[in-house]
Amino acid sequence: GAVVSQHPSRVICKSGTSVKIECRSLDFQATTMFWYRQFPKQSLMLMATSNEGSKATYEQGVEKDKFLINHASLTLSTLTVTSAHPEDSSFYICSALRTSVNGEQFFGPGTRLTVL
Amino acid sequence: AQKITQTQPGMFVQEKEAVTLDCTYDTSDPSYGLFWYKQPSSGEMIFLIYQGSYDQQNATEGRYSLNFQKARKSANLVISASQLGDSAMYFCAMREDAGGTSYGKLTFGQGTILTVHP
Repeated sequence: GAVVSQHPSRVICKSGTSVKIECRSLDFQATTMFWYRQFPKQSLMLMATSNEGSKATYEQGVEKDKFLINHASLTLSTLTVTSAHPEDSSFYICSALRTSVNGEQFFGPGTRLTVL
Repeated sequence: AQKITQTQPGMFVQEKEAVTLDCTYDTSDPSYGLFWYKQPSSGEMIFLIYQGSYDQQNATEGRYSLNFQKARKSANLVISASQLGDSAMYFCAMREDAGGTSYGKLTFGQGTILTVHP
């Protein structure tokens, strides 16, 4: 299967700082990438759809000024959590859509964010 | 309303036995895809199996098979000959092919934690 990387895998930061998470599609070009958030023992909740060269589409209830998404190239999307607070602590997972493979999403390994 | 429902929060199975994880879905879109993913404690999402709404036969991938009952809108995952390494969270997900900017978007069920006993 295709490979998607995420960096960093873990990050601990102080309240009020901003954190950037990178999602890279390593062996195919991804016009569309997705960002999910997952709390312990819960399901993945879609935060936003990231389209290369255009603005991200955010799901209802997700603050676009809080969670900045940039998809500047066909292999890289970034999620920046601005002015992070303890309630933003979560597991963030990205995925890249490969339209030629049953519309399958290939997932990154996830980033565990802890805000102190 | 929930689009994807997994009614089993937890399941237990004996090693080498088969287990069925339930998934029902709700859509009015005639074209859709159903996926099952495994998420071990490391957090990575591992793709297991895919079923398209127009596929005539049930999908199979090694020890995994999908019992697709379209009229009942169910897509249960069957794992045969369970192994200790199968212990993980399992998610059912649906992609509705409405097209446009929402193409490829997945909706996930609540997940089922499977524990395989030796």
